[in-house]
Amino acid sequence: NAGVTQTPKFQVLKTGQSMTLQCAQDMNHNSMYWYRQDPGMGLRLIYYSASEGTTDKGEVPNGYNVSRLNKREFSLRLESAAPSQTSVYFCASSEAGARREQYFGPGTRLTVT
Amino acid sequence: GDSVTQMEGPVTLSEEAFLTINCTYTATGYPSLFWYVQYPGEGLQLLLKATKADDKGSNKGFEATYRKETTSFHLEKGSVQVSDSAVYFCALSSTGTASKLTFGTGTRLQVTL
Repeated sequence: NAGVTQTPKFQVLKTGQSMTLQCAQDMNHNSMYWYRQDPGMGLRLIYYSASEGTTDKGEVPNGYNVSRLNKREFSLRLESAAPSQTSVYFCASSEAGARREQYFGPGTRLTVT
Repeated sequence: GDSVTQMEGPVTLSEEAFLTINCTYTATGYPSLFWYVQYPGEGLQLLLKATKADDKGSNKGFEATYRKETTSFHLEKGSVQVSDSAVYFCALSSTGTASKLTFGTGTRLQVTL
């Protein structure tokens, strides 16, 4: 049981390049989430998917798109990377409904130069 | 909107000292409250949780009590170890179709011999 997996672990991009961060979970969870972690700011929600086939914006969605490919997989795309998107990105999943605990992946450290 | 405020770090303690990390929250309705821990280079792990007023969450010697009257969820441990050195995040999950988490900014704990 791998839990939540993310690829890649590290990535360096030049300004304007695009990339997709991949996330998969094997816990049969309905809900999945993308967060970014910046020093002194905790984690902030970028997008989430309450269930397969739905996605919604979180607190900081600008510059990102997401795809809920199936129940297991939830990807995050940066179409035109900017230095302000340098961060550590975490994917998480939870059972359906409100007030549930989330399970986190190991993170992707992204640097945009 | 929902928010979580936790004490600034870093907190530096000697091994076997008593730990308190303060956390207060603002939320609509009746949120669930969580403490997550992040060890260096890793993702977040759930440490403990409480789902209603006066509930006490506990795990690995850590405890926190859901205090609705003071909107607080302070983390405590009677005797810290060097292995407890990590960043601790207080978080809440309120109402909605998914368990979106609102995080505090995190408190770094350093335990020395």
